[in-house]
Amino acid sequence: EADIYQTPRYLVIGTGKKITLECSQTMGHDKMYWYQQDPGMELHLIHYSYGVNSTEKGDLSSESTVSRIRTEHFPLTLESARPSHTSQYLCASSGLGRDTFYEQYFGPGTRLTVT
Amino acid sequence: DQQVKQNSPSLSVQEGRISILNCDYTNSMFDYFLWYKKYPAEGPTFLISISSIKDKNEDGRFTVFLNKSAKHLSLHIVPSQPGDSAVYFCAASAMNTGFQKLVFGTGTRLLVSP
Repeated sequence: EADIYQTPRYLVIGTGKKITLECSQTMGHDKMYWYQQDPGMELHLIHYSYGVNSTEKGDLSSESTVSRIRTEHFPLTLESARPSHTSQYLCASSGLGRDTFYEQYFGPGTRLTVT
Repeated sequence: DQQVKQNSPSLSVQEGRISILNCDYTNSMFDYFLWYKKYPAEGPTFLISISSIKDKNEDGRFTVFLNKSAKHLSLHIVPSQPGDSAVYFCAASAMNTGFQKLVFGTGTRLLVSP
């Protein structure tokens, strides 16, 4: 059973606020990812991590930052939220082996609205 | 430039019939393809995958077909059930380009009516 958690599920916040989206997994996966998805659009990779102390930017440029201090935890931070950051943010993780990479397990997502 | 395209935003099928979801890709370096299923307010769930060395992979009611020359893959669901109603995402990856990122299509919303 895949266990990956995201909090909060929904967040409405004003412009200029600092926010952190939490993501945790209990599967011991080494790889973790953050995707951004707008309605009716594809998922875009914005950050990924091979493991502890490893973070890389994805295909879609994002003003957010991430950290990976513990294997199970991969939070995403926006220092100053703007309306253009309004989107759904999905966290995912994948396993230790080469073939298990593809079976990325996704959290339920955080729907962020910046007013 | 979209490398993975799902040109049908929606599909309606009757229960018991076959559902066929299509996906096209442009990057010839892609060598692994996946289908994910997404219910509202949930994250995508891995459904089935296929390597480029195969042209078909079957798992229960789900079969994925790959036509490399046409850069096209399809997902067949037989028989379709109302619980299959969801958004289906096609994804692709190129294993020989370093970190194996997944590139997703925009999704097809499947509605299976009783």
